[in-house]
Amino acid sequence: AQTVTQSQPEMSVQEAETVTLSCTYDTSENNYYLFWYKQPPSRQMILVIRQEAYKQQNATENRFSVNFQKAAKSFSLKISDSQLGDTAMYFCAFEGRGGSNYKLTFGKGTLLTVNP
Amino acid sequence: DSGVTQTPKHLITATGQRVTLRCSPRSGDLSVYWYQQSLDQGLQFLIQYYNGEERAKGNILERFSAQQFPDLHSELNLSSLELGDSALYFCASSVDPYNEQFFGPGTRLTVL
Repeated sequence: AQTVTQSQPEMSVQEAETVTLSCTYDTSENNYYLFWYKQPPSRQMILVIRQEAYKQQNATENRFSVNFQKAAKSFSLKISDSQLGDTAMYFCAFEGRGGSNYKLTFGKGTLLTVNP
Repeated sequence: DSGVTQTPKHLITATGQRVTLRCSPRSGDLSVYWYQQSLDQGLQFLIQYYNGEERAKGNILERFSAQQFPDLHSELNLSSLELGDSALYFCASSVDPYNEQFFGPGTRLTVL
């Protein structure tokens, strides 16, 4: 079974600064996807960024980028130029691609607060 | 707006009761997933359907059941409700099991 660990329950950052959220995972699969989801106070789950394990290049989406270290099973999210609207719970998620089960396994989340 | 709709938005009921949560996937999506988000368990996968057939089961209690209908909407039935079933229930959909999942806004269930 896969596990996803987010070791930082809460973090805060000043507006316009950069912050990095940590995530580690454990799996015996070789083919999988990793995700970061954002859940603002509205509770909507919003996909922030996706990384395919077979790709060595780190994914980037505007101000959001990841540092994917496959050997270390680490998948951190970097948010640059933080904005007040980035305040949310952030979940790291794993999806195995080796069998017929494509469910998402989530970490416990990191609550990020961006301060003005 | 992800295109996935869930009804109702909020549901308040009593212990021992039965409720049905409804999900309409995005147009063209054949796969539907149900997740439960609670304070103590976090976000957990419950069950997945693909084109009307159950495809995968997660930590779904025997008191819970689901189905996907020919028009592809899905229902999650929760029976003999307990206080601990209070949670946010998400539905997600994807074109097929190999593509990105889009989440609905969730149904907030409160069991009193």
